Amino acid sequence: GAVVSQHPSRVICKSGTSVKIECRSLDFQATTMFWYRQFPKQSLMLMATSNEGSKATYEQGVEKDKFLINHASLTLSTLTVTSAHPEDSSFYICSARVRRVNTDTQYFGPGTRLTVL
Amino acid sequence: SQKIEQNSEALNIQEGKTATLTCNYTNYSPAYLQWYRQDPGRGPVFLLLIRENEKEKRKERLKVTFDTTLKQSLFHITASQPADSATYLCALSPSGSARQLTFGSGTQLTVLP
Repeated sequence: GAVVSQHPSRVICKSGTSVKIECRSLDFQATTMFWYRQFPKQSLMLMATSNEGSKATYEQGVEKDKFLINHASLTLSTLTVTSAHPEDSSFYICSARVRRVNTDTQYFGPGTRLTVL
Repeated sequence: SQKIEQNSEALNIQEGKTATLTCNYTNYSPAYLQWYRQDPGRGPVFLLLIRENEKEKRKERLKVTFDTTLKQSLFHITASQPADSATYLCALSPSGSARQLTFGSGTQLTVLP
């Protein structure tokens, strides 16, 4: 159980365009999803916490107007990188929080490789 | 500021041996400590979770210890196999409703045949 998918798996776009990344929980409902960014050989950095039906909470230094997050349903959160620039090229990973008896953890999607030319 | 350190960037061991990875943290009082495996170009895969009031947790060939006095967790893989080669990440989460994770930088393990 606890499968999370992301789409697309990789995307190449021109500078100035916007890119939308979808994160879906396939076999469970996720009231909380998280978005991370990972640069080569570095760890995952939390960008924002997305709660279904409310505004996302962004980490310090992450521009909310540039990285738009929508969590419209219990199984889908989207991240839109607006007016993308080459420095936004990175590996974007989402996760969904799973709360069960005796455990409270996150299950991650496979990631989306964004390359901005 | 909060800091999470994993002992080494890379670790090479011989097949069949026990791999031991270290995660140290400062300025943090985690409620949970978790270990994840990440393969190149993929998202992390959850392995084990240990709570602040637990000292040890096991799952098949994996064992995790958690010493809140030393502020350290050890992650062991016994009878290691080449298929265990990956980057292993420790992650801490505080008490509270959000359960946000803060990740260490990871240790890249290579099990040599």
